Amino acid sequence: DVKVTQSSRYLVKRTGEKVFLECVQDMDHENMFWYRQDPGLGLRLIYFSYDVKMKEKGDIPEGYSVSREKKERFSLILESASTNQTSMYLCAIQTAVGYNEQFFGPGTRLTVL
Amino acid sequence: AQSVTQLDSHVSVSEGTPVLLRCNYSSSYSPSLFWYVQHPNKGLQLLLKYTSAATLVKGINGFEAEFKKSETSFHLTKPSAHMSDAAEYFCVVSDRFSGYSTLTFGKGTMLLVSP
Repeated sequence: DVKVTQSSRYLVKRTGEKVFLECVQDMDHENMFWYRQDPGLGLRLIYFSYDVKMKEKGDIPEGYSVSREKKERFSLILESASTNQTSMYLCAIQTAVGYNEQFFGPGTRLTVL
Repeated sequence: AQSVTQLDSHVSVSEGTPVLLRCNYSSSYSPSLFWYVQHPNKGLQLLLKYTSAATLVKGINGFEAEFKKSETSFHLTKPSAHMSDAAEYFCVVSDRFSGYSTLTFGKGTMLLVSP
């Protein structure tokens, strides 16, 4: 079974803080993704990476950056957290076999005060 | 560009009655289509996927979906709802690029099941 782990289930930060969200996979998958989920909006893609040190912007990259120094770990960074970044953040990996389905971690609910 | 429209934000059914969750898609390529389910306070789980092998796709927990190219639809159905089916359901489309593909999610349909 594919396992995707996110560093925190719940996180509370203050406006202006630098926030790191970590995602770790236990398989050798190249493709990793960060989404945010908001009620009534579904999931929206923030950034993704298809290899170590490679990154691509998704639909809503503003206010975020990412880091992928090792294949198994993909970090989402909020350089200066703002209240409108309060959301559920989901990490996903994409398998090389099959038809591009993604497997998701449990999510991190971030609250920015 | 690809897009997904889930036609209902909420669907209410009684236990034992059929379920229909509607989804229309737009894609420039021959798409892959998925349904994901999210139970309260749980992660997203893949329910089923369409990959061009067969237009009627069977998934977990008795759900199935039919791909209709002429209608650009991929509706999710279940003959008889169970209380445990209460969850949010997402229709998803994927275009295939070299080496990876991105998913586009619909806004979700909340399924409510009453006794």
